[in-house]
Amino acid sequence: KAGVTQTPRYLIKTRGQQVTLSCSPISGHRSVSWYQQTPGQGLQFLFEYFSETQRNKGNFPGRFSGRQFSNSRSEMNVSTLELGDSALYLCASSLEEGLRGGYTFGSGTRLTVV
Amino acid sequence: DAKTTQPNSMESNEEEPVHLPCNHSTISGTDYIHWYRQLPSQGPEYVIHGLTSNVNNRMASLAIAEDRKSSTLILHRATLRDAAVYYCILRPSGAGSYQLTFGKGTKLSVIP
Repeated sequence: KAGVTQTPRYLIKTRGQQVTLSCSPISGHRSVSWYQQTPGQGLQFLFEYFSETQRNKGNFPGRFSGRQFSNSRSEMNVSTLELGDSALYLCASSLEEGLRGGYTFGSGTRLTVV
Repeated sequence: DAKTTQPNSMESNEEEPVHLPCNHSTISGTDYIHWYRQLPSQGPEYVIHGLTSNVNNRMASLAIAEDRKSSTLILHRATLRDAAVYYCILRPSGAGSYQLTFGKGTKLSVIP
């Protein structure tokens, strides 16, 4: 079956711009989470959506936002980009609400802010 | 969140077993122990998880100490494709939203 699909794979933006990243979870998965990975901070949780509702949010400024659609696809948006937002953004999906199994991650979107 | 401690790096020869340790002395009774790995230029990949009993799957085995304060991920026969960063993560059980809190993990190098 198809895995988690993230688009685009690579993106270059200028400071001050905004960006939208897309994630298509595995078919049937209702939970979608987003993570940011940087060399300095490692993998950090951004937010998690389940059935179109944000259930949890990490410690990121309000410039980072997201949403989930009725087909479970999710988008995240970063407004007023800063150089420090350059990172690999990863999306993960899972089948169960009360997760005891594993998340399936996509390959990520590499965002470079110049 | 309960914390895990892993060695920064480990080396293994190809085709030999690898034991990756993880300490989690503050684990609660309802925390599951999860392992993920991240190969270069890829997202993390789920490896295995367990609660109290040892677990086996096609990728690895998970050995959990009787007091649950430590666990060991066992790769039975390391291959070059197993070179990755391995993360040990504690995840609460039950319904609700729980993020994965990644530490720095253990970077495994496999020597041909």
